[in-house]
Amino acid sequence: TQLLEQSPQFLSIQEGENLTVYCNSSSVFSSLQWYRQEPGEGPVLLVTVVTGGEVKKLKRLTFQFGDARKDSSLHITAAQPGDTGLYLCAGPYGGATNKLIFGTGTLLAVQP
Amino acid sequence: DARVTQTPRHKVTEMGQEVTMRCQPILGHNTVFWYRQTMMQGLELLAYFRNRAPLDDSGMPKDRFSAEMPDATLATLKIQPSEPRDSAVYFCASGLVPDRFEAFFGQGTRLTVV
Repeated sequence: TQLLEQSPQFLSIQEGENLTVYCNSSSVFSSLQWYRQEPGEGPVLLVTVVTGGEVKKLKRLTFQFGDARKDSSLHITAAQPGDTGLYLCAGPYGGATNKLIFGTGTLLAVQP
Repeated sequence: DARVTQTPRHKVTEMGQEVTMRCQPILGHNTVFWYRQTMMQGLELLAYFRNRAPLDDSGMPKDRFSAEMPDATLATLKIQPSEPRDSAVYFCASGLVPDRFEAFFGQGTRLTVV
């Protein structure tokens, strides 16, 4: 059972379209992060959200942390081919020896 | 430009051989993570260290995998003996916990066991 479930698993869209990726859990997280991974590379941190209800913007990307701190979303406006990649959410879990666990991932392909 | 360095980038080995993967974390980071990524399982945490002490290795098959941090600039992940099902990309990441619970990843070691 995955603690962090992402949806959709795969998304193929045309350049210029908008999209939203979701990260859901039945557990409360003190913070959640979003990473993007390109082929042959390690994941790269995009943002960390800490406060319930928080919204952060990074150019055309908008990240939101749920009020109950159990879920998060990533919205991309006017997607570009350069947005193509695997999007992963992650968060610390486990109490005293918090470990950083990752979601199931969303593979995004933006066609020109 | 600080980055996590992993070696080797690619490794092909025969079943039964020992494999050692190395990681140089970012200077000043106090936490090192080892992850394994496969299509089926995604990114799984194998082990992690804080201030060089192992904190959690529950995700690691104990009979064949071992992880160590002989000093602050080197972390190692060893598989002995290797099996075809170990084929995956292995990532090392470092971070500054708990100040910022964020991971900075290396480029990974792509392991193929034949």
